[in-house]
Amino acid sequence: TQSPRHKVTETGTPVTLRCHQTENHRYMYWYRQDPGLGLRLIYFSYDVKMKEKGDIPEGYSVSREKKERFSLILESASTNQTSMYLCASSLDWSSYNEQFFGPGTRLTVL
Amino acid sequence: EDQVTQSPEALRLQEGESSSLNCSYTVSGLRGLFWYRQDPGKGPEFLFTLYSAGEEKEKERLKATLTKKESFLHITAPKPEDSATYLCAVAGVYGGATNKLIFGTGTLLAVQP
Repeated sequence: TQSPRHKVTETGTPVTLRCHQTENHRYMYWYRQDPGLGLRLIYFSYDVKMKEKGDIPEGYSVSREKKERFSLILESASTNQTSMYLCASSLDWSSYNEQFFGPGTRLTVL
Repeated sequence: EDQVTQSPEALRLQEGESSSLNCSYTVSGLRGLFWYRQDPGKGPEFLFTLYSAGEEKEKERLKATLTKKESFLHITAPKPEDSATYLCAVAGVYGGATNKLIFGTGTLLAVQP
């Protein structure tokens, strides 16, 4: 699950998007999806308190304090961060990357 | 650089009119190719994983195939409820704990009754 499902905010405000999985998956991911660009990986985590940058980490940070929860943090939102944000999880390395997605959060930055 | 290209961008079919979607890829060491379905305003729904050339998988009216350079998603006698965006993604061999997918931009399928 992801929360909130929709959010409208103003430029410069901090934003936290949350993701919760009940599958006991080790890996969790944050993507953003934009028309014509597809899904792009922002960050992923392979264990509690462990994180790795994806392809577009600039302007974002993440937090994983518990195995089932992974948060995406925008310290100071900007208009170019308006997007659909998708969280995903996968069992572990040996599962050959089958990732399962949440319903998404639609973020609008004015 | 790893890359995934899907074609066509959009496809309109009549109910019962079979067709195929294409996913061409370039990847350094294929660990898996994945097909997802995405409905408007929702997250992608996992459909298939293919691991090696020659492999095929089926689910209801969908059949996915894989060669060394591309994958096809065949849709047999589609129904209006098959209307969605179909996404293709690949996983390559990356260092360390890196575990990521490279996605194409999808094919928007519309099936008219």
